[in-house]
Amino acid sequence: DVVMTQTPVSLSLAIGQPASISCKSSQSLLGTSGKTFLNWILQRPGQSPKRLIYQVSKLYSEVPDRFSGSGSETEFTLKISRVEAEDLGVYYCWQGTHFPDTFGAGTKLELK
Amino acid sequence: EVQLVESGGGLVQPGRSLKLSCVASGFTFNNYWMTWIRQAPGKGLEWVASITNTGGSTYYPDSVKGRFTISRDNAKSTLYLQMNSLRSEDTATYYCTRGGYWGQGVMVTVSS
Repeated sequence: DVVMTQTPVSLSLAIGQPASISCKSSQSLLGTSGKTFLNWILQRPGQSPKRLIYQVSKLYSEVPDRFSGSGSETEFTLKISRVEAEDLGVYYCWQGTHFPDTFGAGTKLELK
Repeated sequence: EVQLVESGGGLVQPGRSLKLSCVASGFTFNNYWMTWIRQAPGKGLEWVASITNTGGSTYYPDSVKGRFTISRDNAKSTLYLQMNSLRSEDTATYYCTRGGYWGQGVMVTVSS
């Protein structure tokens, strides 16, 4: 199975600061279709996960544009330009290129 | 609006069975693959089972293969997860998912 490694494990930031989360995969996530199925989701405390980004950099319509995703092959990054209070929770990267789907262990964003 | 509503969770003894349901609305159910994902208390996310839109093919990780069965009733827009021979390590919140959308989850506790 593809191993997804996220860093850091936790982040403590003040509102308005930028955030960056790294996700590395044990093999390339570029599929035979030419697409890279790397997603990001956010799980707020006590809630189910919510979708943020799909195929590396595409934001779902309801996601604020302070979020962005980038990367290729085996290295990916989620960035928040200016953290807001509603952004706290655990962020997971998730690959769907190779069977079975696998997840990173999560990065907990806390507010300072 | 896409909605996924799980039910059927609860406390069950090791070795017993439980069947989860997920009622979908807001989209054409029979057009989409569906997936169950679980999260043990305080832990990360684990893919449990997937089923094609017609129900003709199903997929499982080794951890549940032979014990869990995913199925669907497209006429009722309902997804199921039959869980047999339950173990303590199956204790988790189980989420019904479709392409980035997640239900609210249902808790399954396996304990004597």
